[in-house]
Amino acid sequence: ETGVTQSPTHLIKTRGQQVTLRCSSQSGHNTVSWYQQALGQGPQFIFQYYREEENGRGNFPPRFSGLQFPNYSSELNVNALELDDSALYLCASSLLAGSPLHFGNGTRLTVT
Amino acid sequence: GESVGLHLPTLSVQEGDNSIINCAYSNSASDYFIWYKQESGKGPQFIIDIRSNMDKRQGQRVTVLLNKTVKHLSLQIAATQPGDSAVYFCAENRWYGGSQGNLIFGKGTKLSVKP
Repeated sequence: ETGVTQSPTHLIKTRGQQVTLRCSSQSGHNTVSWYQQALGQGPQFIFQYYREEENGRGNFPPRFSGLQFPNYSSELNVNALELDDSALYLCASSLLAGSPLHFGNGTRLTVT
Repeated sequence: GESVGLHLPTLSVQEGDNSIINCAYSNSASDYFIWYKQESGKGPQFIIDIRSNMDKRQGQRVTVLLNKTVKHLSLQIAATQPGDSAVYFCAENRWYGGSQGNLIFGKGTKLSVKP
């Protein structure tokens, strides 16, 4: 059984650019969530996808968007990057309602 | 407002001792709590969870206690080992259509184990 995998592991972008981060959910998991973790902080919920539809959203602006594909892989897109977007972006998946989230190791995004 | 926080940002213990990490939550309606361990350069790793209809749950070397009266959660690690050194987060679950998704995390406690 493979776990949650994310790519790339590290990324450097310039302010104003756009970025796409990718995630492959754990086998059989149909729910995927994205979190932002600033340095020294706990992860913050961005949004969740279930069966290819957004199923919940945290306090993030519309320039943060996502997609979930039929094979349960997912993308996080961020437009018009700002310096404060520099963070570790975590993807997590779960199998059933009420089961724990399983996290990937994240993508470290640096915006200069 | 809703918040999940930790009493201590850092905790240093001797190898072999027991560790206790505390967490306070403010939403009395919360019914599901999870502890995660995060090592440097890695994502959070599930340790143990507990539902509000329980006061205590035990795993391998770990025990979670839930006190709903004072809205307090704790993680106990028995016989702490160097490999337990990490940041520990408690998280409170918010349901979306019955599917777990929105976890509210505290800031974390850094556990350091001295040999």
